[in-house]
Amino acid sequence: KAGVTQTPRYLIKTRGQQVTLSCSPISGHRSVSWYQQTPGQGLQFLFEYFSETQRNKGNFPGRFSGRQFSNSRSEMNVSTLELGDSALYLCASSFSVPEGGARETQYFGPGTRLLVL
Amino acid sequence: DAKTTQPPSMDCAEGRAANLPCNHSTISGNEYVYWYRQIHSQGPQYIIHGLKNNETNEMASLIITEDRKSSTLILPHATLRDTAVYYCIVRGVGAGSYQLTFGKGTKLSVIP
Repeated sequence: KAGVTQTPRYLIKTRGQQVTLSCSPISGHRSVSWYQQTPGQGLQFLFEYFSETQRNKGNFPGRFSGRQFSNSRSEMNVSTLELGDSALYLCASSFSVPEGGARETQYFGPGTRLLVL
Repeated sequence: DAKTTQPPSMDCAEGRAANLPCNHSTISGNEYVYWYRQIHSQGPQYIIHGLKNNETNEMASLIITEDRKSSTLILPHATLRDTAVYYCIVRGVGAGSYQLTFGKGTKLSVIP
C-alpha cells in the first residue's frame, strides 16, 4: 500500500505571498492531520480533517487554513506568509472513525519544506 | 493528555539493544503510549503503541510498567540506520484528543 504523499517537497516563497500544500493520504484513510515543525517550536499540530470537515484545530492564526476533498485528499493554505512560517509541514493520515481516539495510528508523509524569504 | 519525560540523548553501540525510557506518571487509564521516531528532516515514522500490555512488532518492543507510569522502547539490535530522535507520546481517547503532542524526544546515536 502506498504511503502518505505530499507535494511539493520543497518550496520557496517571499513574504506576503500565499502557498498551498497538498497531501494524499493512505488509501482508505479518512482522516488527515497537518503539523508544522520548526527548530524552535518542534512539532505542532495545525488541524485535522475527517470526512471533509475540520474536526480538531491547533493554536495557529487564521492565516493557516485547510480543506479536505471527498476522496480524502487534503490541502493546506497559508496566506500572507511571514518569515516565521519557514518550516517543515507534515501531513499524517489515519483510518479513523467518527468518534476518533487514541486507537487510530497516524502515519506521516515526508513533508513539504517551505522557505519564506 | 499526560506529559512525558525523556532523556535528551543516548548512545548505543551498533548491534546492541537500545533501551529508551519514558516517564508518564500522570497517564490516565484510557490513554495510550505511542512511539515515533524521526530521522533527520524526514517525516516521523510510527514504531509501536500500547495501552497496558507489553507489545512487540518487527521494529521494536514496548514494555509498560504495571502502574503504567513509565515505559521503555527496546530496539533489540540497533543499527546505524536507527540513529534518530525518538518520541514518546501519550494520547487520550475521543475526537478532541486526536492530535499527537510531540515533546523534545530522545536523540539516539548508534555508534559503530
